[in-house]
Amino acid sequence: DADVTQTPRNRITKTGKRIMLECSQTKGHDRMYWYRQDPGLGLRLIYYSFDVKDINKGEISDGYSVSRQAQAKFSLSLESAIPNQTALYFCATMGQAVGPQHFGDGTRLSIL
Amino acid sequence: KQEVTQIPAALSVPEGENLVLNCSFTDSAIYNLQWFRQDPGKGLTSLLLIQSSQREQTSGRLNASLDKSSGRSTLYIAASQPGDSATYLCAVQVNYGGSQGNLIFGKGTKLSVKP
Repeated sequence: DADVTQTPRNRITKTGKRIMLECSQTKGHDRMYWYRQDPGLGLRLIYYSFDVKDINKGEISDGYSVSRQAQAKFSLSLESAIPNQTALYFCATMGQAVGPQHFGDGTRLSIL
Repeated sequence: KQEVTQIPAALSVPEGENLVLNCSFTDSAIYNLQWFRQDPGKGLTSLLLIQSSQREQTSGRLNASLDKSSGRSTLYIAASQPGDSATYLCAVQVNYGGSQGNLIFGKGTKLSVKP
């Protein structure tokens, strides 16, 4: 089983809908991240969490919110989806202050 | 603000060639630099991580170098194979303020190795 699991893997929805992307991990890491990737661009940080009570905005947090329900679970919500939020979304975890981040397989989100 | 640039954006080579991918960053306050591979529509696979105090790391046919003072890293791939075709991403792990440990990514180099 994957260490970092994202659900759903693919989602197509309409403008204005509320959407939740979920991430769960079995690595026991405190730090979790949400990134988005647009074609031809690298990953950009949306939100990150150092533990259950510590949530921080990243570079592009507008239009998104997150919830850290437990050490193992970190959800990303789009309150009212718009077409320019169509992208590939990645969740990642990290076990220490510095070191490698471990990525899920991504969620491909299309907003019509 | 840290910025990471990768050159070239795309590269096509015949099988068997040795090649170099370039990455540059604007702020030397980094913990490490990481190279990732991404296959189309897939997640990221970590290839190499170079600590800020190191000069290079090797894994199989891959060798990554780091010159922190000049803000540059290279990924050298020896004897390229069609299976190496993918997008290669460079990322620096930053070392300042509340962003400690966050990754800043370049836009990637899309590599195509022709049989």
